Amino acid sequence: QVQLVQSGAEVKKPGASVKVSCKASGYTFTRYFMHWVRQAPGQGLEWMGIITPNTRSTTYAQRFQGRVTMTSDTSTSTVYMELSSLRSEDTAVYYCAREGANTRAFDMWGQGTMVTVSS
Amino acid sequence: DIQMTQSPSSLSASVGDRVTITCRASQGISNSLAWYQQKPGKAPKLLLYATSRLESGVPSRFSGSDSGTDYTLTISSLQPEDFATYYCQQYYSNFRTFGQGTKVEIK
Repeated sequence: QVQLVQSGAEVKKPGASVKVSCKASGYTFTRYFMHWVRQAPGQGLEWMGIITPNTRSTTYAQRFQGRVTMTSDTSTSTVYMELSSLRSEDTAVYYCAREGANTRAFDMWGQGTMVTVSS
Repeated sequence: DIQMTQSPSSLSASVGDRVTITCRASQGISNSLAWYQQKPGKAPKLLLYATSRLESGVPSRFSGSDSGTDYTLTISSLQPEDFATYYCQQYYSNFRTFGQGTKVEIK
């Protein structure tokens, strides 16, 4: 079935980097854009950026420019999100989300990856 | 960036009530508006896109409409499984933005 499976929870120290993976299955990976969204504890959803898996073209939200890198590996149908210079405010659940080909909305989500930044 | 102002931030309602949630866009977004439902500890789920189109499998008690830059999600008869947080999202701009969320609680 169509699914996005993300890597497991991470605990990082301030200043470190984290790389979260999102493996797609059940559909043609290269035909759909992939987004990353995060959610701090008790807070709302925050869009981080988009990657086109086949061209590896990216667009990032301005507030993450210079700190986030999104990549893709078409051989394993996996996208990655790396966030650097972590601070406590980056503690959040990070989701990958597929953009529907016809809808342009996010029709499939990963299960989420909790990233905790703590000294 | 396009700002999405969602209201109310929370509401209390009873099973069977009609519930309305609104999002106002800071500029025109040409009906490029989606609604999501999120339950605690779970990923969001797409309910509607293009303002009023139901995602496959979503009950027909959910509906969407617009008036200018105001977009509305209506639940015609609230069911126990509908108690959750709802978010709007614009996809008119490549820089996607969400509303702040509306938590629907049991009265």
